[in-house]
Amino acid sequence: QKEVEQNSGPLSVPEGAIASLNCTYSDRGSQSFFWYRQYSGKSPELIMFIYSNGDKEDGRFTAQLNKASQYVSLLIRDSQPSDSATYLCAVSYTGRRALTFGSGTRLQVQP
Amino acid sequence: EAGVVQSPRYKIIEKKQPVAFWCNPISGHNTLYWYRQNLGQGPELLIRYENEEAVDDSQLPKDRFSAERLKGVDSTLKIQPAELGDSAVYLCASSGETQYFGPGTRLLVL
Repeated sequence: QKEVEQNSGPLSVPEGAIASLNCTYSDRGSQSFFWYRQYSGKSPELIMFIYSNGDKEDGRFTAQLNKASQYVSLLIRDSQPSDSATYLCAVSYTGRRALTFGSGTRLQVQP
Repeated sequence: EAGVVQSPRYKIIEKKQPVAFWCNPISGHNTLYWYRQNLGQGPELLIRYENEEAVDDSQLPKDRFSAERLKGVDSTLKIQPAELGDSAVYLCASSGETQYFGPGTRLLVL
């Protein structure tokens, strides 16, 4: 059973719009949550992490965490064509530092 | 600050041949990870090291895969013999508070 679920997409948004990427996880012991961006042929690059319920903002990116619903999301404001990539959601569990990744959502920002 | 370094970047081998990948983590990072990423999937953990000790290797196919991290810095992942299904990208990561990935080694087994 997959522990971290993401819609594979592609999610297509016009330039300047808000892109909303979603992720659900199955283990309530999940402690930390991460969003990585991966361009085609490249390795994952950390965008943001969040530990506590609520919102965390960093520039155009906002991560949202709802532990009761076992849901984490990433909002990208003012989307740019350069944001077109696969976004990977990852979680870590208490006592296990390795990350469990979802399969990723492919985002396409249309100029 | 230098990132995680991996070599080679690409490797093409025939099945049943051995192959080895090398990783140098970010300076000061005691935790090192090897992940495998198949096309269209997220990375999956193969093994995690804390210094020179392998502390999470439950997903490492031990019949053909081996890894070592001598002196708690560089690490090597080996496959012998390689199978067609081993074709994937092998990612090394290291962490302090958060994990940072190297560029990966793209393996193609023919």
